[in-house]
Amino acid sequence: DAEITQSPRHKITETGRQVTLACHQTWNHNNMFWYRQDLGHGLRLIHYSYGVQDTNKGEVSDGYSVSRSNTEDLPLTLESAASSQTSVYFCASSGLGAGVYEQYFGPGTRLTVT
Amino acid sequence: GEDVEQSLFLSVREGDSSVINCTYTDSSSTYLYWYKQEPGAGLQLLTYIFSNMDMKQDQRLTVLLNKKDKHLSLRIADTQTGDSAIYFCAESTGTASKLTFGTGTRLQVTL
Repeated sequence: DAEITQSPRHKITETGRQVTLACHQTWNHNNMFWYRQDLGHGLRLIHYSYGVQDTNKGEVSDGYSVSRSNTEDLPLTLESAASSQTSVYFCASSGLGAGVYEQYFGPGTRLTVT
Repeated sequence: GEDVEQSLFLSVREGDSSVINCTYTDSSSTYLYWYKQEPGAGLQLLTYIFSNMDMKQDQRLTVLLNKKDKHLSLRIADTQTGDSAIYFCAESTGTASKLTFGTGTRLQVTL
């Protein structure tokens, strides 16, 4: 069965360190997304990609970067982790099914920056 | 700009109906979605409605859309303890699949 996975599921890091969160999907979807989830804010879009070599900034992209070298993976990098980036991060991919785009979510990565 | 709002919390008794409400501001929304998030998990798509529809029913779920007031609701009939979760509404404006999510409503089902 097709799926979307994230690793690690939990991560604790120190302020100033570079951190990369992995996202891998086997849906063969062109569209991939990274969100962060914080209490009171719902899900906010960080970066997204509509295909290989394509990346776009979302509403909260400062301090984050992504790269898309193949269809399956969209790693999210925190260049210099800050305490404000403590959050739960979700990756999603989407494809066109029955005339509507459906987003499929990974299980999330809980990141703590100390 | 795009903005999607929901109330934060709803408590219902098992067997009653739940109604979760959502308002959005982007009149060019093409599809509106409801997602469910169980504890410790990612979001799962529950249902969606196209913006030219007023209502959609799917088993225990009924979605109502008032496009004039930009109001979306999700009714869950015969609510069960397994329905306890956070429910997110989301809108898309037709460009590929980028979604804007609401803040989420936590549904608590009591016995």
